[in-house]
Amino acid sequence: DQQVKQNSPSLSVQEGRISILNCDYTNSMFDYFLWYKKYPAEGPTFLISISSIKDKNEDGRFTVFLNKSAKHLSLHIVPSQPGDSAVYFCAASVGTASKLTFGTGTRLQVTL
Amino acid sequence: GAVVSQHPSRVICKSGTSVKIECRSLDFQATTMFWYRQFPKQSLMLMATSNEGSKATYEQGVEKDKFLINHASLTLSTLTVTSAHPEDSSFYICSARAPGGGGRETQYFGPGTRLLVL
Repeated sequence: DQQVKQNSPSLSVQEGRISILNCDYTNSMFDYFLWYKKYPAEGPTFLISISSIKDKNEDGRFTVFLNKSAKHLSLHIVPSQPGDSAVYFCAASVGTASKLTFGTGTRLQVTL
Repeated sequence: GAVVSQHPSRVICKSGTSVKIECRSLDFQATTMFWYRQFPKQSLMLMATSNEGSKATYEQGVEKDKFLINHASLTLSTLTVTSAHPEDSSFYICSARAPGGGGRETQYFGPGTRLLVL
C-alpha cells in the first residue's frame, strides 16, 4: 500500500521556467511533509518541509504548498536551473515519530 | 544543514560474507538513526530505526538476524549484513534526526553505500 504517491515519474522543464512537482498521500494522520532531492548514488538532500498547520512554506527558489483537504502537496522551483536536475522525493510522517514514508520519486530534467 | 557520513561508500563482497556499514553524525548527536534500502528506480524503504542504547526497531519483512544494527553512541550506528547473498545487493542509506526548520526535527541522510554481493 503506497501511502505517498508521486504519479509523474519524470518531468522536463526549460531553464528559467517554473518546475512543479506533485505528491499525493492517503494517510490523513500525516502532519509533516518534506521534500528531498537526490542525485544518483548519493543520499537524499533535505530541501524544504511543511507542517500541516501551514499551507505554504517558502525558502528561496523553493516553495511547498499543502492542500490538506485534497491530501496533496506540491513543490515549486522557480526559476529552474540545470543544477536542479535530479530525482525529487516527497516524504511524510505522523507526529514527532519522524518515521518517514517516501514517495516513488519524480525525475526532473532542466534543459537549456 | 547537519552532516551525516557513511563508510564505505561502495563494497563488493563474496556471497556468504558479512559486511559492516557505518553511519556517523558529524556535527550533532543523534539518539535516533534510520536505515533505508533503495533498489534501482524504486523509492527508499525504511528497514529499521536505530535507537542509541537500545534495540533497533525493524520494519515488517526485514530480518533482524540478517541485518544487525548497533547504535553504540550518539554519533555512530552500524548496519551489518550477515551472510550476504546477491539479492542483498542494493543501495543502503542511513539518516539521523536533527533539529530542522520550523522547530521540527528533520532527517538528514548520509551519502549511501552501494553493496554488490557476487
